[in-house]
Amino acid sequence: AQSVAQPEDQVNVAEGNPLTVKCTYSVSGNPYLFWYVQYPNRGLQFLLKYITGDNLVKGSYGFEAEFNKSQTSFHLKKPSALVSDSALYFCAVSLNTGFQKLVFGTGTRLLVSP
Amino acid sequence: SAVISQKPSRDICQRGTSLTIQCQVDSQVTMMFWYRQQPGQSLTLIATANQGSEATYESGFVIDKFPISRPNLTFSTLTVSNMSPEDSSIYLCSVSRGQKQETQYFGPGTRLLVL
Repeated sequence: AQSVAQPEDQVNVAEGNPLTVKCTYSVSGNPYLFWYVQYPNRGLQFLLKYITGDNLVKGSYGFEAEFNKSQTSFHLKKPSALVSDSALYFCAVSLNTGFQKLVFGTGTRLLVSP
Repeated sequence: SAVISQKPSRDICQRGTSLTIQCQVDSQVTMMFWYRQQPGQSLTLIATANQGSEATYESGFVIDKFPISRPNLTFSTLTVSNMSPEDSSIYLCSVSRGQKQETQYFGPGTRLLVL
């Protein structure tokens, strides 16, 4: 069975600084990996995904993530944080063999201070 | 992506009652999903709803408690039956898109409080 770990409950960063939100995964095959963001009182918004190909994937709002197979990681990054990036971020994984259940991590709250 | 709406956006209900949540998609989709997000928690899949077949429930969720309808390719409902305060959660529907139906897009959620 697949699982996702987000080791940090909260990440604090100053506006303009780079940010990283960590995610590691465990699957028995090749993974599909996703990042979603949840703003207060809102649903989940899709940010980006890794399916195959380049290990560095770019998504919405200037976010990117790097797939590292040897470390089984898919960390979310942004070169310069904005206060408006403050939200709850979820990493998720599924297997790439037909439809597989999407399994979510516990979420990381990102706080960007002015 | 997909444009997904849910009704109601929020509700406050008394224990023992039932609430039906609607999910509407702007285009036809094969697979729809219902999730629960308990306060301060991550998302947990309740069931997968395919048009023309019975919903498939995840471990810990049963049809008597969470009956689901999927009458066509753009609409689904989830009913939370005989509610208790433990059912207070955000309920989200999602649809899958992409070449292999690998990417899920979510509705805005229904925030439920049971007193």
